[in-house]
Amino acid sequence: DTGVSQDPRHKITKRGQNVTFRCDPISEHNRLYWYRQTLGQGPEFLTYFQNEAQLEKSRLLSDRFSAERPKGSFSTLEIQRTEQGDSAMYLCASSLFGSSYNSPLHFGNGTRLTVT
Amino acid sequence: AQTVTQSQPEMSVQEAETVTLSCTYDTSESDYYLFWYKQPPSRQMILVIRQEAYKQQNATENRFSVNFQKAAKSFSLKISDSQLGDAAMYFCAYRSGNTGTASKLTFGTGTRLQVTL
Repeated sequence: DTGVSQDPRHKITKRGQNVTFRCDPISEHNRLYWYRQTLGQGPEFLTYFQNEAQLEKSRLLSDRFSAERPKGSFSTLEIQRTEQGDSAMYLCASSLFGSSYNSPLHFGNGTRLTVT
Repeated sequence: AQTVTQSQPEMSVQEAETVTLSCTYDTSESDYYLFWYKQPPSRQMILVIRQEAYKQQNATENRFSVNFQKAAKSFSLKISDSQLGDAAMYFCAYRSGNTGTASKLTFGTGTRLQVTL
């Protein structure tokens, strides 16, 4: 169990540019979540996948945001035409879900995005 | 929608002493889970303790225990024998027991715990 890994750890970009983050969940976990955390706040849910299917998206996830999990393993979160308000920590988490089991979420270290 | 409230932005405790962090939540559901997560300066969120709402017994994990008051919708975390390594942001979180709602967590705004010598 190597834990949830996220790449990159930090990203600085200029307003209007596109950015993409990657998350590698714990290998046996079938659910993967994206959260956003701004300074002084708790994480806010963005979206989640069960295997390769994106099953829920928060209203926080504007049209400029897109997430994929093409093979049910790693996931990417892309932000197009970044705005200064997108500056935040983007957290990925994974969990194992079954008919009789629902594990707690395990989080990665996050990607800190700064939009200048 | 469920909400989680942490009314203590910051707390301080001396090493070896006991501290209690408060959390209240609002829900109309009867089946749910509550969690405390710790986020040290290195940023990775770590699960401290979890409580199933259907269990009357308060959860404990070594020096960490909770006081779960379902009727009052209160879920406080007690840290005994505080250590320097306990210094972190602590988040209270709620998860619905309805598996159709994704197992997503709703977090409070956090309490920053400082541990002093």
